[in-house]
Formats: sequence, structure tokens, C-alpha cells
Amino acid sequence: DAKTTQPNSMESNEEEPVHLPCNHSTISGTDYIHWYRQLPSQGPEYVIHGLTSNVNNRMASLAIAEDRKSSTLILHRATLRDAAVYYCILSQGNLIFGKGTKLSVKP
Amino acid sequence: SAVISQKPSRDICQRGTSLTIQCQVDSQVTMMFWYRQQPGQSLTLIATANQGSEATYESGFVIDKFPISRPNLTFSTLTVSNMSPEDSSIYLCSVEDRAGGLYEQYFGPGTRLTVT
Repeated sequence: DAKTTQPNSMESNEEEPVHLPCNHSTISGTDYIHWYRQLPSQGPEYVIHGLTSNVNNRMASLAIAEDRKSSTLILHRATLRDAAVYYCILSQGNLIFGKGTKLSVKP
Repeated sequence: SAVISQKPSRDICQRGTSLTIQCQVDSQVTMMFWYRQQPGQSLTLIATANQGSEATYESGFVIDKFPISRPNLTFSTLTVSNMSPEDSSIYLCSVEDRAGGLYEQYFGPGTRLTVT
């Protein structure tokens, strides 16, 4: 599975939008881009995934670059509950987790 | 979505003993996985539990150390054998049902294992 690069940590203010970047320059044509998050003391939870087009769901939006070498997870209004480690994963099958981005949300 | 439970939720075990962790899903799923998360680290895939056949292990993990069973489409066990303090981790079960149209993985709450 191809590798991803994410910032180790990011900070956000409550009720403001958050843009979490992910670089995946070696992505292959059939790799899906997955985002999961892990809240403290919990197992990871699915956030969103996409292949080529931007995706929206009730949790977040996923913006995928035209060349697919990068993507951005967008939380439209951060809440304290969104404080978690966010993992960007490329996969055609099994999920291989990297270190992720630890998001802190300040009230 | 799938609801996953794991037993035990936590345990403290002595070096040299074995612990079997159970994973139960509330619906039939095609794929079940076992992960390990060492303190302060990300998740590492141990193996894919295959129903009716031997598990598929990732590099660095072997059946003698982590035997896995999957007797049906809703249940799996992972045994951590001959434990050492280095096995202290959170062990997580996850499921994915591609046949049912789902493409997300759902994770259990994890089993926190401490080996003394």
C-alpha cells in the first residue's frame, strides 16, 4: 500500500473550519483515499473515503486534488468532540495506518 | 453499521501465559481483522481472520504467537501466546463487509493487555 504524509499535529478553535492535509504522491490509479479518526481511548472510526471526486457526508468533506497526489479532510465546524488523531490511508484492500495528525480543538 | 464487542476489555497477565480475546459482531461480515496498538503508537495489522480457513498474517506476525480462529461470520478469537511485557498493547478487532456494499471498516473498543 502507498504511503501518506500528514502533519504530526494541528490546532483549531471550536466552531471554526479545519483543513487536514494529506500528501500521497505515489498513489496508484486504483488506490482509494480513506480517512479514519481515533478519539481518546476508543477504536478508530470511519470518517470518509473517495477515489477521484470530492465527497461529502454528515461528518466531513474530502477534497481530492486533480492529480490525486494530495487530499484534504475538511471539518466544517470543529467541536471539542472532534479532538482526535486523524489517519489518511491509501488502500485497495487492507488498511495500513500511519502516524496520523493529532487534532486539538480549543474552546 | 456494525456493532462490535470484545472480551475482555482489559486484563493483566503474567509473563509466559496466554490470553484469548474474543470479538463478536452483531451481523454477518465477510472480512474480520486483528490489529495491535502499542502505547503511543499507531495501529499495526496483525492478520486477516478468514472464515473456514487459516488466517492471513502480516509480516512480523506468526501463527504460533498469535493463533486466530474464525468459526463463523460473526465471531473470531485472537490468542496472544507465551506473553512477554513487549506484548503489552491494545488489541483491536475490526470488520468490513464489502459483499454487503459497505466499504468502511468498523472497529471494536479494544482489549487493553498488560503483561507483567
